[in-house]
Amino acid sequence: DTGVSQDPRHKITKRGQNVTFRCDPISEHNRLYWYRQTLGQGPEFLTYFQNEAQLEKSRLLSDRFSAERPKGSFSTLEIQRTEQGDSAMYLCASSSGLAGSLDEQFFGPGTRLTVL
Amino acid sequence: KNEVEQSPQNLTAQEGEFITINCSYSVGISALHWLQQHPGGGIVSLFMLSSGKKKHGRLIATINIQEKHSSLHITASHPRDSAVYICAVSPTGNQFYFGTGTSLTVIP
Repeated sequence: DTGVSQDPRHKITKRGQNVTFRCDPISEHNRLYWYRQTLGQGPEFLTYFQNEAQLEKSRLLSDRFSAERPKGSFSTLEIQRTEQGDSAMYLCASSSGLAGSLDEQFFGPGTRLTVL
Repeated sequence: KNEVEQSPQNLTAQEGEFITINCSYSVGISALHWLQQHPGGGIVSLFMLSSGKKKHGRLIATINIQEKHSSLHITASHPRDSAVYICAVSPTGNQFYFGTGTSLTVIP
C-alpha cells in the first residue's frame, strides 16, 4: 500500500501524559499537512511542511504541540501535557507540491486520541 | 467566525434523487476542494476547483468566484454515496479552511 499511513490508529492516554503520532506520506510528496478533527466538525488546519521546513502553523497549535519532519519524509506530531480538550482525530495529508493550490491532498486514516 | 459555511448540515434522500450541497466562503481563494469522508474517518479528495465546473461520473462540482459559492451535485444518488461531504478553501495553497460538512444519507 503506497498511500499515507499513520501510527498509531488509536491512542488512549491519561491527562498530563505526552503522546507522539507518526505520519508517513506518499514517498514522492513534498508537502505534508496535519489537521485536527473533533466530532461533528470539519478538519482544522494545524501545520504544514514543505520538505523538512515547517512553513505555516495555525494559532490552534499551542506551545504544547510540536511537529517535525526531520528528513523531509515522515513527520511526527507531539502533544505534551495532554488535556481532555486534545481528544480528537489527528489527520495527516500529503501532496506532491507540483500544482500549488490545486494539488490533490491524500489523507491518512487518522489517529484517534482519547485523553482520560 | 467561519470562513466556510455549508448547507444543509444533514440531508436524507431516496435512492435515485438529485442531490445538491452548497458551500459559501468569505475569504479570497486560489482553490476550492470537495472532500468525502466515510464513517471511520477516511477522507478522499473529490474535486479541486478554481473556476467553472468539473464532472466525474455522477458527481458535478461548480464554483462561482464572484459570488464566493460552490455547489456539489450528485445525480442518481445511491446508498453508497452516504458519507459526509466537506468543502475546503485555500487562500494560498498552504493553509486550508474547512466547512463542518454535510452528512448525506441515501435510503434504498
